[in-house]
Amino acid sequence: GENVEQHPSTLSVQEGDSAVIKCTYSDSASNYFPWYKQELGKGPQLIIDIRSNVGEKKDQRIAVTLNKTAKHFSLHITETQPEDSAVYFCAPHTGGFKTIFGAGTRLFVKA
Amino acid sequence: GAGVSQSPRYKVAKRGQDVALRCDPISGHVSLFWYQQALGQGPEFLTYFQNEAQLDKSGLPSDRFFAERPEGSVSTLKIQRTQQEDSAVYLCASSLIPKGEWNTEAFFGQGTRLTVV
Repeated sequence: GENVEQHPSTLSVQEGDSAVIKCTYSDSASNYFPWYKQELGKGPQLIIDIRSNVGEKKDQRIAVTLNKTAKHFSLHITETQPEDSAVYFCAPHTGGFKTIFGAGTRLFVKA
Repeated sequence: GAGVSQSPRYKVAKRGQDVALRCDPISGHVSLFWYQQALGQGPEFLTYFQNEAQLDKSGLPSDRFFAERPEGSVSTLKIQRTQQEDSAVYLCASSLIPKGEWNTEAFFGQGTRLTVV
C-alpha cells in the first residue's frame, strides 16, 4: 500500500521567514496532491493542490511543487504570519478509495 | 448549511457503551469518507461511501465499527461496546464527485471527539 512520510514533524520560524514542508510517497500511480491545514479543534481544510501533469502551482503566499520522478511534493509558505501556525498534512491520492494522510507537520510562527 | 456538519461535537462514553456519530455532508456531494484521528496523528481512513454504497470499509478497526448512509446523504458511524482505544476524533469528509481516477478536494467537518472512560 501507499507509504506517506512528511518532514519535518515540527517547524518553528520567525514571522516573515519562509517555511517548506516535504511529503514523500511510494505509489507511482498517485495523481492528485493536496495539502491540508488543520487548526486546533477544527477539521483539515484544503489550502492548495496540484495534479500530476503540473510541476508547480502558486496561490499568493502558498505554493506547491511536485517531483513525480522522485515521488515527493512540497508545500512552500512565504512571508509567514502568526495565523499560519497550524498542523499541515499531505494526502497523495491514487485511483483507489482509500487516502493515506501524512503524520503532519506542526508549524509555529513566532511573532 | 454550507459545510459538512458533524454531531455531537463531543461525546463521553463509558466503556462498553454503544455510540452513534452523525455526519451531514454538503448537499449533492457523492463521496463521503470517515476518518479516525488520534491525538497528534494524521487522519486514518475508516470507510468510503459513493452515494449509499459502501465501497471500501477496509479501515474499520474491528467488527464493533459499523457505518451506513442509507439514502446517500446523511451518514452514521456506530461503535458498539466502546473501548478506551476508541478514544479519538472522528472526522467526516465529503466530496462532489466519485473517488476514482480523477480526484478532487474533500471538505471536512469539525469532527466528533469521543472519549471512552
